[in-house]
Amino acid sequence: DQQVKQNSPSLSVQEGRISILNCDYTNSMFDYFLWYKKYPAEGPTFLISISSIKDKNEDGRFTVFLNKSAKHLSLHIVPSQPGDSAVYFCAASAVNNNDMRFGAGTRLTVKP
Amino acid sequence: NAGVTQTPKFQVLKTGQSMTLQCAQDMNHNSMYWYRQDPGMGLRLIYYSASEGTTDKGEVPNGYNVSRLNKREFSLRLESAAPSQTSVYFCASSEHRLWQPQHFGDGTRLSIL
Repeated sequence: DQQVKQNSPSLSVQEGRISILNCDYTNSMFDYFLWYKKYPAEGPTFLISISSIKDKNEDGRFTVFLNKSAKHLSLHIVPSQPGDSAVYFCAASAVNNNDMRFGAGTRLTVKP
Repeated sequence: NAGVTQTPKFQVLKTGQSMTLQCAQDMNHNSMYWYRQDPGMGLRLIYYSASEGTTDKGEVPNGYNVSRLNKREFSLRLESAAPSQTSVYFCASSEHRLWQPQHFGDGTRLSIL
């Protein structure tokens, strides 16, 4: 059962514009959410996280929004840069249940 | 600063062979994890270790065993490899808890014929 879904396998945006990556989850027990970025032949690297007590978290060009009622989160990258081209994974965890689930990833391509 | 180091980077096995994937971290993290990633799927947790001497099953533990040798090292063993275990395997660590940011190695690409 895929408890975390990233329904867009790929996204292409122009340099300087906003990139919006989406993630949906089904398990209402999830209360901590993370985004990871992955380049080819490398392991994922942590990007930004949010707990369920917040609805927004910012870190520089990256902002994550959480809508608990819709079980939806999104990652905004503004402005997008060619170096942002990578696969982005959404992950969700139930803090008291030792569970971690990842989405299948969205491949972002930022064109110069 | 090495972070998380996995060996080997690539391996080809025949069905029924055994092997151990090695992982070491130099960040003094308490928790370590093993994941597998298959095409079109996200990472799936195989096993994790919250501290030296403890291990727990993740989402897909069948066919695998693990050993937390010390605080730095966490190994994954395939006793009798099957073609369904062909995958890319990632080791990761975090300071304490599963939901904290994890640091990943660069992966081991394993093919089982």
